[in-house]
Amino acid sequence: GAGVSQSPSNKVTEKGKDVELRCDPISGHTALYWYRQSLGQGLEFLIYFQGNSAPDKSGLPSDRFSAERTGGSVSTLTIQRTQQEDSAVYLCASSVGQGLNIQYFGAGTRLSVL
Amino acid sequence: AQKITQTQPGMFVQEKEAVTLDCTYDTSDPSYGLFWYKQPSSGEMIFLIYQGSYDQQNATEGRYSLNFQKARKSANLVISASQLGDSAMYFCAMGGSTLGRLYFGRGTQLTVWP
Repeated sequence: GAGVSQSPSNKVTEKGKDVELRCDPISGHTALYWYRQSLGQGLEFLIYFQGNSAPDKSGLPSDRFSAERTGGSVSTLTIQRTQQEDSAVYLCASSVGQGLNIQYFGAGTRLSVL
Repeated sequence: AQKITQTQPGMFVQEKEAVTLDCTYDTSDPSYGLFWYKQPSSGEMIFLIYQGSYDQQNATEGRYSLNFQKARKSANLVISASQLGDSAMYFCAMGGSTLGRLYFGRGTQLTVWP
């Protein structure tokens, strides 16, 4: 597609349930990033992929969070046993490579944990 | 350590006037870049402009220009001839040549009034 695509756009779940968020990067972009934005806050880095490997996963807040990327393309962010503090907008971005390349963002997935 | 600081939580400007949004940074990476993104109320992150640390001239993109003062570690965004559609949250971000992720400031909410 022309841009970064994220699905679902909105997700409402109950506390304790698992959720999967999907990101489809711009075709040809080898680097993919996940960020989280809580209400009225800046962006918090979660994890970044170069190809299928994750050189930096330092931002994952707990072991309930995991992410994978397959085929150098689509990535899935999984949150297990969701908590209310996980409620946020999860943003995915991609770039042609790591380093000083422009990151293009998707529209985000708004996660609400009840 | 990398750090981005935006000291203006909110700014107001009248339509057709120019406005400067402040951003200061700190990094130990000799090769780095500064990025500005716009986030309207709809939530998407829109890339505006980029400045590399070794670029000799200040970056410009249409009505956007970046006032880069390396010695002062500042990278202020200047928007000329403000339009009502410029009302949004603006984020300054920094990346490094050896980094994957971007470091974001907390943002400045710009309101353009008629």
